Amino acid sequence: EIVLTQSPTTIAASPGEKVTITCRASSSVSYMYWYQQKSGASPKLWIYDTSKLASGVPNRFSGSGSGTSYSLTINTMETEDAATYYCQQWSSTPLTFGSGTKLEIK
Amino acid sequence: QVQLQQSGTELVKPASSVKISCKASGYTFTSNYMHWIRQQPGNGLEWIGWIYPGNGNTKYNQKFDGKATLTADKSSSTAYMQLSSLTSEDSAVYFCARQWGTPFAYWGQGTLVTVSS
Repeated sequence: EIVLTQSPTTIAASPGEKVTITCRASSSVSYMYWYQQKSGASPKLWIYDTSKLASGVPNRFSGSGSGTSYSLTINTMETEDAATYYCQQWSSTPLTFGSGTKLEIK
Repeated sequence: QVQLQQSGTELVKPASSVKISCKASGYTFTSNYMHWIRQQPGNGLEWIGWIYPGNGNTKYNQKFDGKATLTADKSSSTAYMQLSSLTSEDSAVYFCARQWGTPFAYWGQGTLVTVSS
């Protein structure tokens, strides 16, 4: 099973600040997927195939990485970005998720 | 538009079973994998397995072998997940998610299952 380790677990950022969340895989994966989940709601696909933004995702978000190291970056934090973000791999079963990064507004 | 409408909250007793549903609309139900994911209170996400409604093929996370059974009814475009021998550990929100290019492109609203005597 591929274990995905996200860091940090929690982060607080001010509006306008740059934010980076990392996801490290225990084995190499081909692509990384990211989901945004707000309290009480279903997760939403946010970034797919490592760097492609899902429909409706603002272009202040970006994704990058390869092999065992991936990241999600918010260029300029906005209040609406406060949520929990999960990475997920599809390279082998079982499909696995990271434990999540809770992003709060400072 | 694509919609996945899940059944409502369930309160069930330990050792019993529960069957939750996910009704799909807005796309060809038989042509896309449907996944199920668990989220325990305050916890992250766990993949349970998938079903391909076109032929009924399934694949499970080994962790959920014997716990979850996935089925699909093509006539009503509805996917089902039955959970058996329930314990408090099975108390969680369960999501269905449609695969479309990526595994979890569209999500249902979630079904809360609470196991309590």
